[in-house]
Amino acid sequence: DAMVIQNPRYQVTQFGKPVTLSCSQTLNHNVMYWYQQKSSQAPKLLFHYYDKDFNNEADTPDNFQSRRPNTSFCFLDIRSPGLGDAAMYLCATSRGLADYNEQFFGPGTRLTVL
Amino acid sequence: GQNIDQPTEMTATEGAIVQINCTYQTSGFNGLFWYQQHAGEAPTFLSYNVLDGLEEKGRFSSFLSRSKGYSYLLLKELQMKDSASYLCAATDSNYQLIWGAGTKLIIKP
Repeated sequence: DAMVIQNPRYQVTQFGKPVTLSCSQTLNHNVMYWYQQKSSQAPKLLFHYYDKDFNNEADTPDNFQSRRPNTSFCFLDIRSPGLGDAAMYLCATSRGLADYNEQFFGPGTRLTVL
Repeated sequence: GQNIDQPTEMTATEGAIVQINCTYQTSGFNGLFWYQQHAGEAPTFLSYNVLDGLEEKGRFSSFLSRSKGYSYLLLKELQMKDSASYLCAATDSNYQLIWGAGTKLIIKP
């Protein structure tokens, strides 16, 4: 089945220790997104790629970086995680950027910062 | 600014009908999505409305009024598995999704 896969599902890191979350997709979609979602809050878009074209949200901290080496894979790097970065990180894809394109989500990675 | 409002929590009884409302204010508007999110899981797509009116899909229906900046999700014949958060999201003129915080729906037997 075509899908969005995120690894790991649960990640524990120490304060200040870099961490990388990964996402892969078999849908061959052009757009990949990274969201941060804290409990009972709306998903917050961090950045998205349209193919290799990277788009950073204005309020995304510099501590968050992303790489998309090819169509299928996208990575989220948190350079120096703080306690406030503990959250669920959701990867999503869509066929295009047009408004009618639904987003398909991976199962998420829950990040704990000790 | 851009804003999505929906109730924080609702409770309903198994077998009943519930309506979850959403109002939105966006710079430009190109459509409205409803997603379902079970606790600890990713959101899954339920519906998309771009024209005024009601779209029915099985037990779930979604309504949109563009002039009023208003949508609702109607769930019929509620089942225990419908206990989840329901997120409303509107697309703005830049094709960005503006998300609501979600409505937590609790179903009681």
